[in-house]
Amino acid sequence: ETGVTQTPRHLVMGMTNKKSLKCEQHLGHNAMYWYKQSAKKPLELMFVYSLEERVENNSVPSRFSPECPNSSHLFLHLHTLQPEDSALYLCASSLGQGYSNTEAFFGQGTRLTVV
Amino acid sequence: GENVEQHPSTLSVQEGDSAVIKCTYSDSASNYFPWYKQELGKRPQLIIDIRSNVGEKKDQRIAVTLNKTAKHFSLHITETQPEDSAVYFCAAMEYSTLTFGKGTMLLVSP
Repeated sequence: ETGVTQTPRHLVMGMTNKKSLKCEQHLGHNAMYWYKQSAKKPLELMFVYSLEERVENNSVPSRFSPECPNSSHLFLHLHTLQPEDSALYLCASSLGQGYSNTEAFFGQGTRLTVV
Repeated sequence: GENVEQHPSTLSVQEGDSAVIKCTYSDSASNYFPWYKQELGKRPQLIIDIRSNVGEKKDQRIAVTLNKTAKHFSLHITETQPEDSAVYFCAAMEYSTLTFGKGTMLLVSP
């Protein structure tokens, strides 16, 4: 257990559904990340939040909407997804640059299937 | 933004051989370079990291080297074992953004 928890672990949704992925950490980290992992592009950075502010949006389609209400929680809201969005979505957290220990810890991921 | 290139994509070695994985990065502002190991069905986990003020770091059978001028860094695994088989990712951190390479699948045959 790394201290980063993601729910749900598995999700099957239709293209017209709306769902949310949740990530939670109580490690005192101030940076949180969403990554998409698929066969085509392993560990593709989607969003970065530092101190609850979005600092990176890596050209992600608007059907993915992140939310960071506080430094311990990160959400990824999903709507009108496409089958090619099926992948493993990984959340990670770290202390961010400038700290002596910058290790990023990953959650176990949410396996998303869009049908 | 940062761009990290990683080679090779697949590496097969015999048990006991050494394995080397190489990465390059584009942004000179990056100053932290971790390596992650991901076993099948599991989350990526940190195995070693290096900061830009250090040229080399070693931890038992694993070592990492960094050439800031050339913007490249490498992972070296000596005396490989079957349990080293996994996907290895390099990464570069610029401010709080952590960008990964595309990964190297290492296969160690007994």
